[in-house]
Amino acid sequence: SQQGEEDPQALSIQEGENATMNCSYKTSINNLQWYRQNSGRGLVHLILIRSNEREKHSGRLRVTLDTSKKSSSLLITASRAADTASYFCATDAGRKLTFGTGTRLQVTL
Amino acid sequence: GAGVSQSPRYKVTKRGQDVALRCDPISGHVSLYWYRQALGQGPEFLTYFNYEAQQDKSGLPNDRFSAERPEGSISTLTIQRTEQRDSAMYRCASSSIADEQFFGPGTRLTVL
Repeated sequence: SQQGEEDPQALSIQEGENATMNCSYKTSINNLQWYRQNSGRGLVHLILIRSNEREKHSGRLRVTLDTSKKSSSLLITASRAADTASYFCATDAGRKLTFGTGTRLQVTL
Repeated sequence: GAGVSQSPRYKVTKRGQDVALRCDPISGHVSLYWYRQALGQGPEFLTYFNYEAQQDKSGLPNDRFSAERPEGSISTLTIQRTEQRDSAMYRCASSSIADEQFFGPGTRLTVL
């Protein structure tokens, strides 16, 4: 079953703009991980945030986690055409990951 | 190796045949996971191993699916008597104690 739900399902922005994707989940977690997938290809690990962390940065990525609201957000700043992909959040509640349904991001020139 | 590898990358089989999918994790990674991904969906957990021990197989759909990792490295996911509904992308991931799971390229299984 899919625990996480990403919002929005699809997002279209212009190059240079920021993109924000949200993820909600239902049960307590150990950590939450974000992945990128290009056109049904491989899953690329972007960032992991643990349940005792509130914010984490990696390059142009910023992830927040609010365990009281059971939600996370992924911000991509200064987006590029190469950021076009599907983005998934995945919750770890005991080693196995439970993925959401993904947000399809389209970055246009 | 540098990343998780899976073979074959594509497998087409006829209904009723058995298939074996192989995963070679990142060297030194203790944990190995199998997931299945349908088109347009996120991956769904099947099973995972710590070393050679299968820790959780709650995601295996039925008893036609089995997995092993006999020497704590390479793993094989076997599907017996395949059915058309088994068609999907099968993904393997591995992790060290740091928890990040790194995925392989997947095996696309098509059952005719």
